[in-house]
Amino acid sequence: AQSVAQPEDQVNVAEGNPLTVKCTYSVSGNPYLFWYVQYPNRGLQFLLKYITGDNLVKGSYGFEAEFNKSQTSFHLKKPSALVSDSALYFCAVSLHGSGNTGKLIFGQGTTLQVKP
Amino acid sequence: DGGITQSPKYLFRKEGQNVTLSCEQNLNHDAMYWYRQDPGQGLRLIYYSQIVNDFQKGDIAEGYSVSREKKESFPLTVTSAQKNPTAFYLCASSAPGQGSNEQFFGPGTRLTVL
Repeated sequence: AQSVAQPEDQVNVAEGNPLTVKCTYSVSGNPYLFWYVQYPNRGLQFLLKYITGDNLVKGSYGFEAEFNKSQTSFHLKKPSALVSDSALYFCAVSLHGSGNTGKLIFGQGTTLQVKP
Repeated sequence: DGGITQSPKYLFRKEGQNVTLSCEQNLNHDAMYWYRQDPGQGLRLIYYSQIVNDFQKGDIAEGYSVSREKKESFPLTVTSAQKNPTAFYLCASSAPGQGSNEQFFGPGTRLTVL
């Protein structure tokens, strides 16, 4: 069965420090990978995605993520965290192929807390 | 929250009542989705629709129903058969692309059973 794991419920970093939010996946076949962010009582906002090509993907608000096929990981990173980055982050995966419905499988989410 | 609107923002339901959550999009997307969000559980797929007049059950469809009579609209009805409906409900849409296109989410409806 396909699944996505975000091993940390919460990540705490100091403002200005680099941040990493971890994601690993288990799928049969080649995945499409996504990161979304959610602020309190709001919908999800798309940050970035990996479809194919360069393993390092750059997205919105200075975030980037690295696709590692051998480790089946897609960790979200940012060189310098801001207090305003504090939010709930979701990793998600969908599958290639004709007839693909676009269904996303989400991880359980990681709360990022950036302290001044 | 892009071109997707959900209403109402907050909804209170008495036990035994059916309620309908609205989702409208002006993005001209073919595919639409309904998710349920509970604390610590991420998002779980309730129903999805890839085209007008067609929809499929997701992972937790029991106690819910949908319709897709128009491309722009994908309402969700939470029926009295849903035993624990208190949750945050999110609607999303995406362009066709065999899974490579990101989903755009509405602002959500928070449903509380009294």
